[in-house]
Amino acid sequence: DQQVKQNSPSLSVQEGRISILNCDYTNSMFDYFLWYKKYPAEGPTFLISISSIKDKNEDGRFTVFLNKSAKHLSLHIVPSQPGDSAVYFCAASAWNTGNQFYFGTGTSLTVIP
Amino acid sequence: DAGITQSPRHKVTETGTPVTLRCHQTENHRYMYWYRQDPGHGLRLIHYSYGVKDTDKGEVSDGYSVSRSKTEDFLLTLESATSSQTSVYFCAISQERGRGNSPLHFGNGTRLTVT
Repeated sequence: DQQVKQNSPSLSVQEGRISILNCDYTNSMFDYFLWYKKYPAEGPTFLISISSIKDKNEDGRFTVFLNKSAKHLSLHIVPSQPGDSAVYFCAASAWNTGNQFYFGTGTSLTVIP
Repeated sequence: DAGITQSPRHKVTETGTPVTLRCHQTENHRYMYWYRQDPGHGLRLIHYSYGVKDTDKGEVSDGYSVSRSKTEDFLLTLESATSSQTSVYFCAISQERGRGNSPLHFGNGTRLTVT
């Protein structure tokens, strides 16, 4: 039972434009949400997080938006760069699941030069 | 980069053989985890440790065991490997569990193929 879902397996964006990666979740008790980026043959690396008491968190070119009523999370990358081409995973945790992180299936982003 | 080393990086083994994967950290983090990554499933937690000799199961623990005899080392053992355990295995560490201000830091993975 997938508690965190990324329904778009892939996304292509032109360099300089905005990339929007989406994530949906089912557990209303999730209180921390994270985004990870993964290059081939490497482990995921942490990008940005947001707690459920916020609806936006920004770090440089990366902004995460949280819509709790819709149980929806998105990552915006502006402007997109070729080096952003990677697989992006969202993850969420809740105290009532033992604070375990649940991961989505990932979205492969390709930024076209 | 967090100091996490996984060994081996690649392994091919036969069905029914035991396999042990090693994770070594130099960050002195309390929590260590083993995840597997499979197409269509993302990353799924196998087992985790919250201290020396303290371990617990994750969502896909069947067929796996773990041990942590030292803070820095976390071993994952497949007692009798099966083809369904062909996967990429990631070790991760964190200072706290499941908090956004204490994210997981991952190693570079071990690609295991069971023939």
